[in-house]
Amino acid sequence: AQSVTQLDSQVPVFEEAPVELRCNYSSSVSVYLFWYVQYPNQGLQLLLKYLSGSTLVKGINGFEAEFNKSQTSFHLRKPSVHISDTAEYFCAVVRGNQFYFGTGTSLTVIP
Amino acid sequence: DAGVIQSPRHEVTEMGQEVTLRCKPISGHDYLFWYRQTMMRGLELLIYFNNNVPIDDSGMPEDRFSAKMPNASFSTLKIQPSEPRDSAVYFCASSYGGQVGFYNSPLHFGNGTRLTVT
Repeated sequence: AQSVTQLDSQVPVFEEAPVELRCNYSSSVSVYLFWYVQYPNQGLQLLLKYLSGSTLVKGINGFEAEFNKSQTSFHLRKPSVHISDTAEYFCAVVRGNQFYFGTGTSLTVIP
Repeated sequence: DAGVIQSPRHEVTEMGQEVTLRCKPISGHDYLFWYRQTMMRGLELLIYFNNNVPIDDSGMPEDRFSAKMPNASFSTLKIQPSEPRDSAVYFCASSYGGQVGFYNSPLHFGNGTRLTVT
């Protein structure tokens, strides 16, 4: 069963506009949730993580995500995107001793 | 800290040849993961080690794939014989789990090895 679902494979957005990248997780998995970013020709880097506590998590580069238990979601948001935010974004969960990654969302920021 | 180091960055080989990918994790990390990334299947976990011991290799596609971690600072992923469908980007990642569990520590990825099998 899919642990993580990223609903949008591609998201184009104009520079300085807000963006939301959607992620839903299986309610059967533990609620350790992550967002990673992959820039071209590089490995993945951690943006932010939710382990417990406040449901609003702030990460690097102005990104934030909100854990919503009732909707089993962990959407990533940024109020104003830059050209440099163009990248692939992956939502991930931990189950047991493994990370499970979503299929990724390609964010393209249009000048 | 140099981060996770993978070599080579690019590998082009002919079908049937042996391919060896190398990884040096971050010093002090006790977990090491090998992932494969393709357009069709996304990121797939192949195998992971804890304290140099393979814990779960259920993601290894078939017997042509093997991975070793002879010490805490080095791991290899070998494909023998290679096939065109093995073409992908292979990532190594490491993290520190200790007594708490590795989820409290992010995965640190290398820049990957892009493998092309013709």
